[in-house]
Amino acid sequence: QKEVEQDPGPLSVPEGAIVSLNCTYSNSAFQYFMWYRQYSRKGPELLMYTYSSGNKEDGRFTAQVDKSSKYISLFIRDSQPSDSATYLCAMSGNAGNMLTFGGGTRLMVKP
Amino acid sequence: GAVVSQHPSRVICKSGTSVKIECRSLDFQATTMFWYRQFPKQSLMLMATSNEGSKATYEQGVEKDKFLINHASLTLSTLTVTSAHPEDSSFYICSATGGGSSYGYTFGSGTRLTVV
Repeated sequence: QKEVEQDPGPLSVPEGAIVSLNCTYSNSAFQYFMWYRQYSRKGPELLMYTYSSGNKEDGRFTAQVDKSSKYISLFIRDSQPSDSATYLCAMSGNAGNMLTFGGGTRLMVKP
Repeated sequence: GAVVSQHPSRVICKSGTSVKIECRSLDFQATTMFWYRQFPKQSLMLMATSNEGSKATYEQGVEKDKFLINHASLTLSTLTVTSAHPEDSSFYICSATGGGSSYGYTFGSGTRLTVV
C-alpha cells in the first residue's frame, strides 16, 4: 500500500462545476499538507499549504485536512477550462523535510 | 511569493556526454533542495535531497556517480547527469524550501532532457 493514495482520474467536469479532489494517507506523522497543480511539461505550482487539521480558503480553492481520518481534500469552485491539469497532493512530517506525493489526479474541465 | 528558477528548460545531448541543470532560489535562502525525476503521466520520484554545504542524500536506487548534485550556496543547486544515456531521458524538476513552515516548497519549471 502506498503511503499516500490519490485517484488518478481522469476526472472530467463541465465548466462551472465544483470539483472535489482527495487524498488519503497512512502516516500519522504528517503535519504539513500541500496541493500542487501541474500543467503538462511544467513544474508543479503550489496552490494550497496547510498545517495540521482544518480548512483554508484562497479564492476559488478550499483545502481541508482531517487528520483523524487521514484524509485531505481540495475543492475548486466555478471550475474553468484553465483549471485542466494534474493535481498532486503532498505532505511531510516536518517543515523542510522531503515531501511524499500522491500519484496525481488528472482534471479536465470542458467548456 | 517564493520563486525558483531552473535552467535549461529543454536540452538535447549526445549519448556519453554530461549535462548540468541549475536550480536557483531567487528571493529566499534555500536551506534544502530536492531533485525529482518524472516520467510521462507519473508522479514525481525523489532522487536526492541536498542541504547547503553538505553532501546530497540519495534515494535508494539512484546512482550517486551518475547524478552529481552540488549545493554550494543557499541559492544554487546543480544536478549533473554524467555520461548520459537514452534511458536518462526524462523530466527533471528541482524544489527548494527555506525550512520554515511559512515557505512551503517551491518547484522549478523543470528540465526536459533528451539523450540521443
